[in-house]
Amino acid sequence: DTAVSQTPKYLVTQMGNDKSIKCEQNLGHDTMYWYKQDSKKFLKIMFSYNNKELIINETVPNRFSPKSPDKAHLNLHINSLELGDSAVYFCASSQMAGGYNEQFFGPGTRLTVL
Amino acid sequence: DQQVKQNSPSLSVQEGRISILNCDYTNSMFDYFLWYKKYPAEGPTFLISISSIKDKNEDGRFTVFLNKSAKHLSLHIVPSQPGDSAVYFCAANQGAQKLVFGQGTRLTINP
Repeated sequence: DTAVSQTPKYLVTQMGNDKSIKCEQNLGHDTMYWYKQDSKKFLKIMFSYNNKELIINETVPNRFSPKSPDKAHLNLHINSLELGDSAVYFCASSQMAGGYNEQFFGPGTRLTVL
Repeated sequence: DQQVKQNSPSLSVQEGRISILNCDYTNSMFDYFLWYKKYPAEGPTFLISISSIKDKNEDGRFTVFLNKSAKHLSLHIVPSQPGDSAVYFCAANQGAQKLVFGQGTRLTINP
């Protein structure tokens, strides 16, 4: 009974390709996020959506485009993949309801660009 | 410019002893701090948190201490158990649910 799920778990692709990573949460949360964990192991936020509306957009190349069809899903599409995009991407969700609520993370998608 | 730093990449502790993981931050606007635990090939899982209005929060074997004047927090695990072996991330809340993470400390509990 997975709370936050991501597909695929592993993704190996060539430079220049376009790929998507999907995320779904069944916790009833209203806010979802995408994080990137790079080779130095830092977890950095990329995007955040609240009720399908973009609320955080860090300095991310516009080759990355998040899409939230409903508040339970937040997908990440990446165009023209580059070597530097190789990383582990984590989806997360939380309930924003005014408080400081912890975020629940998915298992991650390891993207390797060759 | 890394606003949350965990200066020890790894820590090894004997089973049954106390594990102390440290975290420093630079931004005085941070008002809520969290610790996450991560096993290999899994996502981080929430462990414990503390608001900036407190200096201590305890949950079972886990205690987090916050020293605002020093911009320092620590996570104490006592007694340490083999299942505690994982990477621990410190994170700070910077409004609008934005979390800023440290680079993690790998804790190994030796039997």
